[in-house]
Amino acid sequence: QLQLQESGPGLVKPSETLSLTCTVSGVSINNSLYYWGWIRQPPGKGLEWIGNIYYSGSTYYNPSLKSRVTISVGTSKNQFSLKLSSVTAADTAVYFCARSNIASDDTSAEFGPWGQGTLVTVSS
Amino acid sequence: SYVLTQPPSASVAPGKTASLTCGGYNIGSKTVHWYQQKPGQAPVLVIYYDTDRPSGIPERFSGSNSGNTATLTISGVDAGDEADYYCQVWDSNTDHVVFGGGTKLTVL
Repeated sequence: QLQLQESGPGLVKPSETLSLTCTVSGVSINNSLYYWGWIRQPPGKGLEWIGNIYYSGSTYYNPSLKSRVTISVGTSKNQFSLKLSSVTAADTAVYFCARSNIASDDTSAEFGPWGQGTLVTVSS
Repeated sequence: SYVLTQPPSASVAPGKTASLTCGGYNIGSKTVHWYQQKPGQAPVLVIYYDTDRPSGIPERFSGSNSGNTATLTISGVDAGDEADYYCQVWDSNTDHVVFGGGTKLTVL
């Protein structure tokens, strides 16, 4: 059964870099059938897509975050990672990782399943 | 950038039908996916490719998409359907995923 699990620090200081890892079990991320994505949700607010990565390393990022985001595939474990630099309080959110199927035109389709999410608070 | 507009809230009596809308310019030309999110939980896919239901999602959930509006319909609503619902598309003009702002469905 496919499962995703986010991990990383729950507290990050302003101006520092947020780093999270998503561990995937049940399917290899070195799989041409899927994208792997990060989505976040500030407390009490809606979902915001951060970006996707393909097993080859190709990435797609939300333009509003692109200058601060790096998504990468783990080299040895079945993991992919998120780095968000120069964080502020506005980056406080629950961060989800999820699998995305690939549509017939090679774009990102629906997301599912999702990890349970991890709350990251930006505060000094 | 592409914008998806969802009413912030909707309410429906038990046993009735809820129609949740997602508006966007010419959204009928795009593929829409819908998610249900209950408090403290991760979103769950309930409709994909406009009208398809994942396994395990009741037939009470259905979708449609035409013109400038996509709709998620939940028939025979019960208390367990109370949740936030989000629509999502891929914007091919900018190559990125877009989510609607979400609709909070209250079962009266």
